[in-house]
Amino acid sequence: GAGVSQTPSNKVTEKGKYVELRCDPISGHTALYWYRQSLGQGPEFLIYFQGTGAADDSGLPNDRFFAVRPEGSVSTLKIQRTERGDSAVYLCASSLTGTSSGNTIYFGEGSWLTVV
Amino acid sequence: TQLLEQSPQFLSIQEGENLTVYCNSSSVFSSLQWYRQEPGEGPVLLVTVVTGGEVKKLKRLTFQFGDARKDSSLHITAAQPGDTGLYLCAGVGSWGKLQFGAGTQVVVTP
Repeated sequence: GAGVSQTPSNKVTEKGKYVELRCDPISGHTALYWYRQSLGQGPEFLIYFQGTGAADDSGLPNDRFFAVRPEGSVSTLKIQRTERGDSAVYLCASSLTGTSSGNTIYFGEGSWLTVV
Repeated sequence: TQLLEQSPQFLSIQEGENLTVYCNSSSVFSSLQWYRQEPGEGPVLLVTVVTGGEVKKLKRLTFQFGDARKDSSLHITAAQPGDTGLYLCAGVGSWGKLQFGAGTQVVVTP
């Protein structure tokens, strides 16, 4: 597709369940990022992939959160034993290369997760 | 924890008025970006400022980067309803990692 695609757009799950959120970046983009945005806040960094490897996972809040990108394109964010505090919009973004300048980052529309 | 502070948090103005939103940080960033986010969508990049003292214009939007590269402002001239949205500033770190402020919600009424 032309942009970053995220599925599902909305997910309601019960506390304690496992969820997977999928991101399909722009074709050819080697850098992929996951952010989490709570109501009334700006996005907060979770993890950065360069190719297949997680180059920076310092933003993952705890070991219930895990992300993979096995073939260097699609990424999946996995959340185990969900808690109500995990409710947020999970945004995926990609860029051509993971450099700090001269590099436009494109965001998807997000996956809205609600844990009840 | 948001390291970038944005003010005001909320701004409601009439069409045709001017507005300014601010972004301040105690840290120096190599570059800073401004985004606009509409409901149900991801943030969309408006501009990147790199040099201290830099001023960039994008139609009716004017962006300034402070001399010390720790603060920035966004000024909108003659605002229109289409300018309504959440304006986010973000410091750019290693690998393009972004540190966002909490945002300023702008509402422009006809």
